[in-house]
Amino acid sequence: GAGVSQSPRYKVAKRGQDVALRCDPISGHVSLFWYQQALGQGPEFLTYFQNEAQLDKSGLPSDRFFAERPEGSVSTLKIQRTQQEDSAVYLCASSVQAYNEQFFGPGTRLTVL
Amino acid sequence: EDKVVQSPLSLVVHEGDTVTLNCSYEVTNFRSLLWYKQEKKAPTFLFMLTSSGIEKKSGRLSSILDKKELFSILNITATQTGDSAIYLCAVAVTSGSRLTFGEGTQLTVNP
Repeated sequence: GAGVSQSPRYKVAKRGQDVALRCDPISGHVSLFWYQQALGQGPEFLTYFQNEAQLDKSGLPSDRFFAERPEGSVSTLKIQRTQQEDSAVYLCASSVQAYNEQFFGPGTRLTVL
Repeated sequence: EDKVVQSPLSLVVHEGDTVTLNCSYEVTNFRSLLWYKQEKKAPTFLFMLTSSGIEKKSGRLSSILDKKELFSILNITATQTGDSAIYLCAVAVTSGSRLTFGEGTQLTVNP
């Protein structure tokens, strides 16, 4: 595709619900990243994939957060038992290789009530 | 811990003004510094800088890196209302692929 796409663009969840956020990277991009952006802050790293391998998940805030990229293309970020502090914009980015510039999707705004 | 600090945090100017945005960093094993523009949605890539003293330019925007003093500046000349956005600075290190971002500078250009 022309750019990174994410869905849904907006998600409202009740506290305790599970959510799944999808990312479609730019075709051919090997590296895929997830970031969390709180209001008024810069994005913070969550996790990184090289093809289907999750090489760095050190930024995931708790074991309620899980990400996968089973075929090395589309990725899903899952948050179990959502809490109010999970409310943020979740950004996905992809790059040709790990050390190239990252291109971002429009993000999913998650609101947990 | 890697740290990126941007200043000012917000800036209001009039169309036609020139602005300079600052980014300083403290990281281990610096690899590159990147600038992004964020309007209401996706951060869009502006520049990636790896070498000191070499200016990168795109239209009215330019940026330069000083690896000795650990900072970068982003200049915008003849600002337009469409330049209103948050400008994000991020640093990449050699020991990983993640980007560490600053808080961003909120630029407002008034007509």
